[in-house]
Amino acid sequence: DARVTQTPRHKVTEMGQEVTMRCQPILGHNTVFWYRQTMMQGLELLAYFRNRAPLDDSGMPKDRFSAEMPDATLATLKIQPSEPRDSAVYFCASGGDRANYGYTFGSGTRLTVV
Amino acid sequence: DQQVKQNSPSLSVQEGRISILNCDYTNSMFDYFLWYKKYPAEGPTFLISISSIKDKNEDGRFTVFLNKSAKHLSLHIVPSQPGDSAVYFCAASLQDKIIFGKGTRLHILP
Repeated sequence: DARVTQTPRHKVTEMGQEVTMRCQPILGHNTVFWYRQTMMQGLELLAYFRNRAPLDDSGMPKDRFSAEMPDATLATLKIQPSEPRDSAVYFCASGGDRANYGYTFGSGTRLTVV
Repeated sequence: DQQVKQNSPSLSVQEGRISILNCDYTNSMFDYFLWYKKYPAEGPTFLISISSIKDKNEDGRFTVFLNKSAKHLSLHIVPSQPGDSAVYFCAASLQDKIIFGKGTRLHILP
């Protein structure tokens, strides 16, 4: 059963520390998304990639967030420095070229910044 | 500015009855509309989609209706079952970028 794998599942860190979240998309999927879920905003799109190239990162705070795909099997989302307002669940999703087939989400990384 | 809006934060429905979840959107350029279901501590899972050129799509107990003139879509679940209790997200795609609403929590009552 193919799945999107996200690590870590939970992360508690102190304000000012660097946080790195990792995502292994489903093999063969060429589109990768990063979303953030908060109570107030629901599911916000942060960034997405196609064939490892960033297509849109307009949803991401540029001064502290960065997203990369070093290779086809790994996507990373980094926050440096982290702030309490970054506390949320971060989801990675992957899929093919067409949105109508839906994208497959990972189980998320729950980040708490204290 | 929310392009996809789910105005009901929660909905309670008796088991066996019809559940109707609603969604409004503002961008007439969206090409597909999707519904996702989410259980606690899990990622959202894809349920059903509809092309912007269709007005209805059915898959088992789930039917999505699209009213383009009103910029409104709805998800019907018939009959509702206990396992349908979850948060439902309405979403819309624009050139394969998916934008989500804030979700509606559905409670199926015994």
